[in-house]
Amino acid sequence: KAGVTQTPRYLIKTRGQQVTLSCSPISGHRSVSWYQQTPGQGLQFLFEYFSETQRNKGNFPGRFSGRQFSNSRSEMNVSTLELGDSALYLCASNSGTLDYSPLHFGNGTRLTVT
Amino acid sequence: DAKTTQPTSMDCAEGRAANLPCNHSTISGNEYVYWYRQIHSQGPQYIIHGLKNNETNEMASLIITEDRKSSTLILPHATLRDTAVYYCIPTPSYSGAGSYQLTFGKGTKLSVIP
Repeated sequence: KAGVTQTPRYLIKTRGQQVTLSCSPISGHRSVSWYQQTPGQGLQFLFEYFSETQRNKGNFPGRFSGRQFSNSRSEMNVSTLELGDSALYLCASNSGTLDYSPLHFGNGTRLTVT
Repeated sequence: DAKTTQPTSMDCAEGRAANLPCNHSTISGNEYVYWYRQIHSQGPQYIIHGLKNNETNEMASLIITEDRKSSTLILPHATLRDTAVYYCIPTPSYSGAGSYQLTFGKGTKLSVIP
């Protein structure tokens, strides 16, 4: 099975712009979660989508949003970029229906805001 | 959520067993202990999880104390490719919902030395 795929791998944006990141989960997985990783804050949960609905949300401002499509692929959007949004953004998938189903992570999109 | 304490860093000689401890004294009865690792420039990788019994899979063994206040991840024959940051993460069960989020701490940086 192909793993979780995230595109693009690297992205450079300017402060004030917006950005969209894409994630394709493992085939058959219906839940997609997003995490932000920075040197200062470590790995932090952004949100989780299941069957096109946001099911769980972390403590991030409304500039961070996401969506999920009927094929379970997901996108996350960050509007009005700030320098502090520079981070590695990780997507993870699992079945979403079984307790303790491990998360399978992609290798992330590294966003640099200048 | 339970808080965890892990050593900041550890060294292990190649071919020897790596024993990574984790203290989770505030873990609640329904929280599983998950272990993930993150190799440089990659997304986190699931290793193993358990509730109260010891667990073993092709990657590692997990030993959980009887009072569940601590656990040890054992890599039986460490290789250079096991050099990574290892995270111990107690995770509550949302029974039947299948939705949960991982709260990552700082983890243990394991260096396997030739």
